[in-house]
Amino acid sequence: TQLLEQSPQFLSIQEGENLTVYCNSSSVFSSLQWYRQEPGEGPVLLVTVVTGGEVKKLKRLTFQFGDARKDSSLHITAAQPGDTGLYLCAGNTGNQFYFGTGTSLTVIP
Amino acid sequence: DTAVSQTPKYLVTQMGNDKSIKCEQNLGHDTMYWYKQDSKKFLKIMFSYNNKELIINETVPNRFSPKSPDKAHLNLHINSLELGDSAVYFCASSHGTGVTGYTFGSGTRLTVV
Repeated sequence: TQLLEQSPQFLSIQEGENLTVYCNSSSVFSSLQWYRQEPGEGPVLLVTVVTGGEVKKLKRLTFQFGDARKDSSLHITAAQPGDTGLYLCAGNTGNQFYFGTGTSLTVIP
Repeated sequence: DTAVSQTPKYLVTQMGNDKSIKCEQNLGHDTMYWYKQDSKKFLKIMFSYNNKELIINETVPNRFSPKSPDKAHLNLHINSLELGDSAVYFCASSHGTGVTGYTFGSGTRLTVV
C-alpha cells in the first residue's frame, strides 16, 4: 500500500473534455505538490499548496488541497493534447516527500 | 542551460558489471537526490544528500552508493548490477528539504541484460 494513492490510474479523453485527478492519503501533509512528466523526461513541478482548503489556478488547471491536508485534486478544463502526460502528486510529511502512484493522461485530438 | 543534467541518458550493461551515473545541477541548490522509477512509473527515493547529511533509504541495497565531490554534483555508483536494477534513475535537487519543489534531471534508463 502506497502512502499517496492517485485515481484514476489511467485516463483517456477527447480534446475539449474536462477531467479531475485525485490524490488521497490517510496521512496529513504540511504541503503537497503536483508534477507533470512527459515521456523520456523528468517530472516538472506545476504547483505547491500548503494551506488546507487552498485553491490554485494555472491557466486551465485548478489545484485544491483538502481542508484536512490529507488529499488534493487536479481539475483540467477543456483538455488539450499538450496536457498528455503522467501527473504525480507528492506530499511532504515534514521530513520526507512521498510521491503518489501517478495518473497517466492521454488527450486524443 | 540545463538546470539538472545527468549522464548518460541510456545505459545498457551486463549483469555483474559496475557502472556510474553522473549528475550536476547549476541552480545553487543545497540538497540533491537520487530517485528510482520502476516499470509502473512509481518514483521512490533512494538517497538525499546535502553538505551536512546523507540520508539513505534503508531498502536500497548497499551495492548502490552516492558520491558527492561538491555541492553541485551527486553521482550514483552501482556495483554488481542485477537484472532487477533495470529502471529509470532520476537525479533531482532542491533548496533545503524541497518544500518549494524539486527540479529533476531527464533521467537515465538503465537496462541490465
